[in-house]
Amino acid sequence: ETGVTQSPTHLIKTRGQQVTLRCSSQSGHNTVSWYQQALGQGPQFIFQYYREEENGRGNFPPRFSGLQFPNYSSELNVNALELDDSALYLCASSSRTGEISGNTIYFGEGSWLTVV
Amino acid sequence: SQKIEQNSEALNIQEGKTATLTCNYTNYSPAYLQWYRQDPGRGPVFLLLIRENEKEKRKERLKVTFDTTLKQSLFHITASQPADSATYLCALRSNFGNEKLTFGTGTRLTIIP
Repeated sequence: ETGVTQSPTHLIKTRGQQVTLRCSSQSGHNTVSWYQQALGQGPQFIFQYYREEENGRGNFPPRFSGLQFPNYSSELNVNALELDDSALYLCASSSRTGEISGNTIYFGEGSWLTVV
Repeated sequence: SQKIEQNSEALNIQEGKTATLTCNYTNYSPAYLQWYRQDPGRGPVFLLLIRENEKEKRKERLKVTFDTTLKQSLFHITASQPADSATYLCALRSNFGNEKLTFGTGTRLTIIP
């Protein structure tokens, strides 16, 4: 049990629709990252939020956006869904101290998104 | 471009033997390397972290080595058990930037009773 909770666990959307995924980070963690994991692949970094601001972004288009709230929970929003967006979306939380400290990064169980 | 390769997609090992998984990287300057276990349909679970200035780390039946000259990490599970069957992911974090992890594609390990 990592203390990182994600919702919903599974959902099906139609191409062109929009989706919002949610994540509650582990208590005391101020950094949340989102990853996309396609079947048979390793997780790919989407973006990270630190103290409510985006702090780095991977190679994903602007229709992938996010938010971090004062309690450090986070949302991932995807607009204009495409079939290739079907994947497991993982939230990861950690406690960033301003240095590369090697603090453990904990993952949630993920949200399975199917786009039809 | 940065590339992380894990030696094979799938590895079958007899119960009781040592399983060795390989992670190689190119065009990367990692601050540290992590190994995760992932079961089907679940999120990755952290196993071990090794820093760039460390050669070896152990935790119970697990051992990780890190050779920044060879740009390689080896992950060993000794006295393997069927319960060790899972996909194992290596992930690197750079000396620069944020807490982003770059993952390999994983090795699916099966321990045969």
